[in-house]
Amino acid sequence: AQSVAQPEDQVNVAEGNPLTVKCTYSVSGNPYLFWYVQYPNRGLQFLLKYITGDNLVKGSYGFEAEFNKSQTSFHLKKPSALVSDSALYFCAVRADAGNNRKLIWGLGTSLAVNP
Amino acid sequence: NAGVTQTPKFQVLKTGQSMTLQCAQDMNHEYMSWYRQDPGMGLRLIHYSVGAGITDQGEVPNGYNVSRSTTEDFPLRLLSAAPSQTSVYFCASSYSNPASGRVHAGELFFGEGSRLTVL
Repeated sequence: AQSVAQPEDQVNVAEGNPLTVKCTYSVSGNPYLFWYVQYPNRGLQFLLKYITGDNLVKGSYGFEAEFNKSQTSFHLKKPSALVSDSALYFCAVRADAGNNRKLIWGLGTSLAVNP
Repeated sequence: NAGVTQTPKFQVLKTGQSMTLQCAQDMNHEYMSWYRQDPGMGLRLIHYSVGAGITDQGEVPNGYNVSRSTTEDFPLRLLSAAPSQTSVYFCASSYSNPASGRVHAGELFFGEGSRLTVL
């Protein structure tokens, strides 16, 4: 069965420090992987996706994510965190083929960037 | 561009009342969907549509109805509200079904959300 896990409910980082929000997945076949961000009292916004190709994917607001097939991970990263990055981050995954290609969502990780 | 517009933003209902959450998108997206977001449970898909006249159930469809008479609109109806339906509801649209193999599959555009409380 497909699944996605965000092992940390909350991540705290100091402004200016690098940040990582973790995501691991399980799918049959090759994964399509996505990151979304939700600012307080707002809807989710698409950040980036991995379909194929370069394992390092660059997205909006200076975020990037690294696909690691052997570790079945797709961690979200940013070299220097901003207070305005404080938000809820969701990882999502789906298989690239087969009968079960629904989008599966993680439970979210709350990122707090401290001044 | 307005994107995905949801109304109302807030609503309080009594148990047994009915209401409709409205969703409209102006991007000519073929795929539209409704999610609910609850603490500790993430996003759960209620219903979705891959085009006008076509709807299907998600993982938590009970107590909700949908219709898709036009490409733009995808209302969510609660026929008899229950306290378990207290939640934040999000409408999301996309160029194509996230389960398809098409280029933008999985890139969803979300509305701002509708916070519903059922007493």
